[in-house]
Amino acid sequence: EPEVTQTPSHQVTQMGQEVILRCVPISNHLYFYWYRQILGQKVEFLVSFYNNEISEKSEIFDDQFSVERPDGSNFTLKIRSTKLEDSAMYFCASGGGLSRETQYFGPGTRLLVL
Amino acid sequence: RKEVEQDPGPFNVPEGATVAFNCTYSNSASQSFFWYRQDCRKEPKLLMSVYSSGNEDGRFTAQLNRASQYISLLIRDSKLSDSATYLCVVITTGTASKLTFGTGTRLQVTL
Repeated sequence: EPEVTQTPSHQVTQMGQEVILRCVPISNHLYFYWYRQILGQKVEFLVSFYNNEISEKSEIFDDQFSVERPDGSNFTLKIRSTKLEDSAMYFCASGGGLSRETQYFGPGTRLLVL
Repeated sequence: RKEVEQDPGPFNVPEGATVAFNCTYSNSASQSFFWYRQDCRKEPKLLMSVYSSGNEDGRFTAQLNRASQYISLLIRDSKLSDSATYLCVVITTGTASKLTFGTGTRLQVTL
């Protein structure tokens, strides 16, 4: 069964550093998303991406964040100048197979900013 | 008011019991509804979509009441493996299919 994959599974970084989180969506999907979940809190939407551009972003997704689909298979989230409060689980999701609205999540990248 | 509200629980039930979770949503423009399941420190996994007429998938039954803006999930004959957090999720019209999550309801099924 096709699945969304994410790398790395864990990332530890120093405050102020840049991180890139990588995702490989399901191959025939067209819609891509990033969500995050701070420990003990709900899953929050960050950004949606379709046709090589951002279709929607949340208030969380400020200039510190960017997304890219560099090669037709990978989908990346870059966080510049990380802050302590960026520590969270970051989930990539893809949708648009039979139903655009049915989204499948990757296993997540746990980011810890020290 | 939170967009999607759930009782956080935990609900502790014995194996074989029937348990029901409710969820309310605040935005009347919400158009699509789902239940996801999340195990500890894992990704959300789609359990089922929720349709206006109600729908069933094995031991799981979902209901939607648009007038009252609430969604329910019923689990019959609970199994130990049902222990997880159940997430109520909505999509609102015009939002590029972004998922809005509730905080989840934790279920613990015991022997």
